[in-house]
Amino acid sequence: AQSVTQLGSHVSVSEGALVLLRCNYSSSVPPYLFWYVQYPNQGLQLLLKYTSAATLVKGINGFEAEFKKSETSFHLTKPSAHMSDAAEYFCAVSGGNFNKFYFGSGTKLNVKP
Amino acid sequence: DTAVSQTPKYLVTQMGNDKSIKCEQNLGHDTMYWYKQDSKKFLKIMFSYNNKELIINETVPNRFSPKSPDKAHLNLHINSLELGDSAVYFCASAGMNTEAFFGQGTRLTVV
Repeated sequence: AQSVTQLGSHVSVSEGALVLLRCNYSSSVPPYLFWYVQYPNQGLQLLLKYTSAATLVKGINGFEAEFKKSETSFHLTKPSAHMSDAAEYFCAVSGGNFNKFYFGSGTKLNVKP
Repeated sequence: DTAVSQTPKYLVTQMGNDKSIKCEQNLGHDTMYWYKQDSKKFLKIMFSYNNKELIINETVPNRFSPKSPDKAHLNLHINSLELGDSAVYFCASAGMNTEAFFGQGTRLTVV
């Protein structure tokens, strides 16, 4: 069985500050891990994914995430927040047959000027 | 060239009506899904099809019936709509060991 837990339903940072969105996973098989972003009234767009290659994964828009097996974590970071980063962020895990994707409850990122 | 497209984007209907949402993907993926996103943004998987066969049915009321005429299409039919069915419904597809690709969503409002 697989699941993800996102700590913090709302995160607020100032423009230019570090963004850190937390995700912990549980998986009975080697996981594939993903971060998605959802802008208002839009679908989900992939930011980055971990598929058992490099543990530090770089994605679009300056985001990156590090897979830490010992901590069962896959936290999303960005060194400097932009106003355009304000959105809902979802962590997801997949593994096993048929690529079933389990999503976390989402973290809404607010960026203050 | 839209990868996963679903129609309609908005759907407003009265309680008790029957409605359908259509989804098509042009990515050549074998697996397609329907997800429901509630007002708190929680994404819950409803169904998953692999090569036209139902793989996952996550305790969804039988008023919801998915249909996959071919592996590029997965439609969702809902009978006797209820107020609690109001949500955003997302179609998605995935290939073997790829990420899920999502459509733009269908906002269903039942009045």
